[in-house]
Amino acid sequence: DVKVTQSSRYLVKRTGEKVFLECVQDMDHENMFWYRQDPGLGLRLIYFSYDVKMKEKGDIPEGYSVSREKKERFSLILESASTNQTSMYLCASSPPAGSNTEAFFGQGTRLTVV
Amino acid sequence: QQQVKQSPQSLIVQKGGISIINCAYENTAFDYFPWYQQFPGKGPALLIAIRPDVSEKKEGRFTISFNKSAKQFSLHIMDSQPGDSATYFCAASRGGYNKLIFGAGTRLAVHP
Repeated sequence: DVKVTQSSRYLVKRTGEKVFLECVQDMDHENMFWYRQDPGLGLRLIYFSYDVKMKEKGDIPEGYSVSREKKERFSLILESASTNQTSMYLCASSPPAGSNTEAFFGQGTRLTVV
Repeated sequence: QQQVKQSPQSLIVQKGGISIINCAYENTAFDYFPWYQQFPGKGPALLIAIRPDVSEKKEGRFTISFNKSAKQFSLHIMDSQPGDSATYFCAASRGGYNKLIFGAGTRLAVHP
């Protein structure tokens, strides 16, 4: 059974804190993604990675950074958390684009910044 | 700029009825159009997907209709069941790294 695991289901952090969200996949996928999900806005891409140590900005990268030191692990970093970063964060992985391009999602981390 | 527009935002259907969710896209370079289903407390999961070389794809009670000239695609759920109650997202991507652009989502409630 394929799996994308996010380290925390719920997090509460204070404004200005540095926050790490961790994601691990067991499918040996090249591509990994971080999305945030907000009501009425759907899922918006923050960053993605297509290989170890490779990363590209998505549509809303401001205030975030990422790290991918190993193929199976992709971390999202909030350098200085702010209240407008309160959201549901979803990690996903997928094989390279081709005939089967299904993306597999983790269960999400609900982050509250107070 | 929203590249994939989804409607309606919410939908109530009686058990046994047909649920229809619509999406429109702008970028003609998109070549993959999936629908994802999300239950409360879970991440989205792929439901069904289509590529622009076909106009329709059916899997069980779920059908995607695709209109390339209108740049629209829709999800039809036949014989809707209470277990179909979830949030549905349409999405689109083009080649390369499979970056999915999602619609805003539709919350479907199927009443018994």
